[in-house]
Amino acid sequence: LAKTTQPISMDSYEGQEVNITCSHNNIATNDYITWYQQFPSQGPRFIIQGYKTKVTNEVASLFIPADRKSSTLSLPRVSLSDTAVYYCLVGDKRNLLGTDSWGKFQFGAGTQVVVTP
Amino acid sequence: EPEVTQTPSHQVTQMGQEVILRCVPISNHLYFYWYRQILGQKVEFLVSFYNNEISEKSEIFDDQFSVERPDGSNFTLKIRSTKLEDSAMYFCASSEGTSGYNEQFFGPGTRLTVL
Repeated sequence: LAKTTQPISMDSYEGQEVNITCSHNNIATNDYITWYQQFPSQGPRFIIQGYKTKVTNEVASLFIPADRKSSTLSLPRVSLSDTAVYYCLVGDKRNLLGTDSWGKFQFGAGTQVVVTP
Repeated sequence: EPEVTQTPSHQVTQMGQEVILRCVPISNHLYFYWYRQILGQKVEFLVSFYNNEISEKSEIFDDQFSVERPDGSNFTLKIRSTKLEDSAMYFCASSEGTSGYNEQFFGPGTRLTVL
């Protein structure tokens, strides 16, 4: 499984854009890049997933360069409620009996984002 | 919106006792997972389950652990003889498992305290 490296923490003010970059130098051809958010005492929550280029949803954008060795999660105009730990995962997808199956997700230490007024 | 549920929310047990943690995955999902998170540490994968068998397991998931889907809705994690170091938050997750886009939905967790 590809190992991921991301900053331990980031501070931001309300209304700013937060960009968290994750390195995954050993990403494999079939790997997808997925980001999760976790609040204290809650389970992780899916934010966004991508394979290459740019993906955008109502919550965030994910930028993946052509070599796919890194990815950047962009949170536009953060609010206090965006204070959380953000995890970058590189998912191992394989075929199992002809059906797509996801192997184990390896969570790293994550990035603690603190948003202040 | 459908969600993964887990019971109990908090379980306290004595060392050496057996515990069963219960999860109800989202109804049309095919893949199920257990993770644990020791307080202040990262989320650790334990096991994935598909088609009534284990797909993948980590080195943490030793012979003391087992999983079962006893009926069409529940997914359980059993720890046969709990140790102090099993104290953690245990999260169940499920996913549709369709090709390409795959999102794991996590439950709220069960806090296990082993005394």
